[in-house]
Amino acid sequence: GENVEQHPSTLSVQEGDSAVIKCTYSDSASNYFPWYKQELGKRPQLIIDIRSNVGEKKDQRIAVTLNKTAKHFSLHITETQPEDSAVYFCAASRNQGAQKLVFGQGTRLTINP
Amino acid sequence: GAVVSQHPSRVICKSGTSVKIECRSLDFQATTMFWYRQFPKQSLMLMATSNEGSKATYEQGVEKDKFLINHASLTLSTLTVTSAHPEDSSFYICSAREGGAVSGYTFGSGTRLTVV
Repeated sequence: GENVEQHPSTLSVQEGDSAVIKCTYSDSASNYFPWYKQELGKRPQLIIDIRSNVGEKKDQRIAVTLNKTAKHFSLHITETQPEDSAVYFCAASRNQGAQKLVFGQGTRLTINP
Repeated sequence: GAVVSQHPSRVICKSGTSVKIECRSLDFQATTMFWYRQFPKQSLMLMATSNEGSKATYEQGVEKDKFLINHASLTLSTLTVTSAHPEDSSFYICSAREGGAVSGYTFGSGTRLTVV
């Protein structure tokens, strides 16, 4: 089955700097890659997603890149702000069959004022 | 947008008792519901995939007799934790995908289970 590895587990950056979180996946048939932000005790909140037919997607300060050949994708947050501090998860799924969404281990991002 | 309602949000039960968690898709039909468990400071681990009208598919290492899943209708899936033990204390959350592959996943609000 699918296995998603996420790094780093913790990341601390100065306010205004950029943050990058990386994930790799094992199932070459996976073609949907969302990123979630989760507050303590809350449901995951989708912040951006990308499908395998594109290599990059951007939404204001957030961007995601996908390298299908290498089976890795990354989250980029620019001009970080204190409210970006949270736990971020990457995930992967197929669009066929069971369509199970498998999560990475998570990254605790801390933005230092 | 799609909404999945999950109840209860918090539950405390005694060891040995059973607890039922419900997830309802409010404005769409969820033929498939995914159930996750999340321990503190850890990731969401997929427990099982619930399919309307058929048996659930459990992930490796998840006891199907302990975590009973029922998906009797297109809008309701339930997870029952049977003979609960303190180690079952966790955050349980469901997810469904509206519209199949063209859409993203909608999550319930989660259930914090504490077994005492």
